[in-house]
Amino acid sequence: QQQVKQSPQSLIVQKGGISIINCAYENTAFDYFPWYQQFPGKGPALLIAIRPDVSEKKEGRFTISFNKSAKQFSLHIMDSQPGDSATYFCAASKDNFNKFYFGSGTKLNVKP
Amino acid sequence: NAGVTQTPKFQVLKTGQSMTLQCAQDMNHNSMYWYRQDPGMGLRLIYYSASEGTTDKGEVPNGYNVSRLNKREFSLRLESAAPSQTSVYFCASSDYPNNEKLFFGSGTQLSVL
Repeated sequence: QQQVKQSPQSLIVQKGGISIINCAYENTAFDYFPWYQQFPGKGPALLIAIRPDVSEKKEGRFTISFNKSAKQFSLHIMDSQPGDSATYFCAASKDNFNKFYFGSGTKLNVKP
Repeated sequence: NAGVTQTPKFQVLKTGQSMTLQCAQDMNHNSMYWYRQDPGMGLRLIYYSASEGTTDKGEVPNGYNVSRLNKREFSLRLESAAPSQTSVYFCASSDYPNNEKLFFGSGTQLSVL
């Protein structure tokens, strides 16, 4: 049983468009929600993260929206660029962060 | 800085063979992790080591053993490889007490025939 459910599995967006990836969780004990970006042949790298005491966090073109009551969070990539083409993973953790539960990943392709 | 280094990058095994995946980090991190990545499954935690001398099971530990050799090195051993263990394996580390950020290696692609 996957603790974090991610959609869509793949996404194609035109350059300059908005990419939106969604995640949902069940365990209300989760208190840290990061997004990782992975390029082919590389390991994932932390992109942006949020805690449930705020509803939104923005870093450059990347924004996390968090809905605690719905137990959902999403990644928005504004003005998407071909260099953003990668696989994105949401994740959730609690307590001392020794265990992260990852979503199944979304492969984003930004068309020039 | 090399960060997290994994060896080998690719490996092909026959069913029943054993092997050890090596991982080393040069960031003086206390915590280290082994994940496996499978299509449609995301990353799943196999084992982790919160500090030197300790190891704990993650979500999918069956068929694996680990050794935290010292603060830098954390190895993953497959005693009798099975086709179900075909996967991409990632080692990661994080910095106690702020373990929020995982630093990943570039992965080992393992095929078990």
